[in-house]
Amino acid sequence: AQSVTQLGSHVSVSEGALVLLRCNYSSSVPPYLFWYVQYPNQGLQLLLKYTSAATLVKGINGFEAEFKKSETSFHLTKPSAHMSDAAEYFCALYEGTYKYIFGTGTRLKVLA
Amino acid sequence: DVKVTQSSRYLVKRTGEKVFLECVQDMDHENMFWYRQDPGLGLRLIYFSYDVKMKEKGDIPEGYSVSREKKERFSLILESASTNQTSMYLCASSLRSEFEQYFGPGTRLTVT
Repeated sequence: AQSVTQLGSHVSVSEGALVLLRCNYSSSVPPYLFWYVQYPNQGLQLLLKYTSAATLVKGINGFEAEFKKSETSFHLTKPSAHMSDAAEYFCALYEGTYKYIFGTGTRLKVLA
Repeated sequence: DVKVTQSSRYLVKRTGEKVFLECVQDMDHENMFWYRQDPGLGLRLIYFSYDVKMKEKGDIPEGYSVSREKKERFSLILESASTNQTSMYLCASSLRSEFEQYFGPGTRLTVT
């Protein structure tokens, strides 16, 4: 069965520090993977997507993610955290037939 | 820009009431989705629709129904609201040829 696991439901980083949010997936077919961000009381906004092209994917707001097949991972990174990055982040896998599997989310806190 | 709007941001209903949540998208997307979001559980698919008048059950359809009479509009109906349906409801849409979903701002429903 396909699945998505986000390690760490809460992550805190200092402003200016590296952001690393972890996502591991399980899929029997080449996956399509996504990272979404959700700001308080808002819907989800697409940060970036992997659709079997380049393994290093650049997204909006300075975020990027690297697809590593050998590790079945798709971790999200940003070199320098900003206060405005505080939000909840969701990793998602396209399962096929219009269905997506979402991780349980990681809430990022940025400390001044 | 794709815009997905939801009829209410906040809604309070009583147990047993019939509740209608409406979603409208303005980008001629074929696919539309209803999710509920609960802390620690991520997003769970209730129903989706890939065309007008077409619908498919998601992972948690019990207690819900949907209607799609026009391409741009997808309604979620709680036939008889119960307290365990208190949640954030998110609508999304996507093109048939693309994998990324566009989300509305969400409706926070409280059933008392």
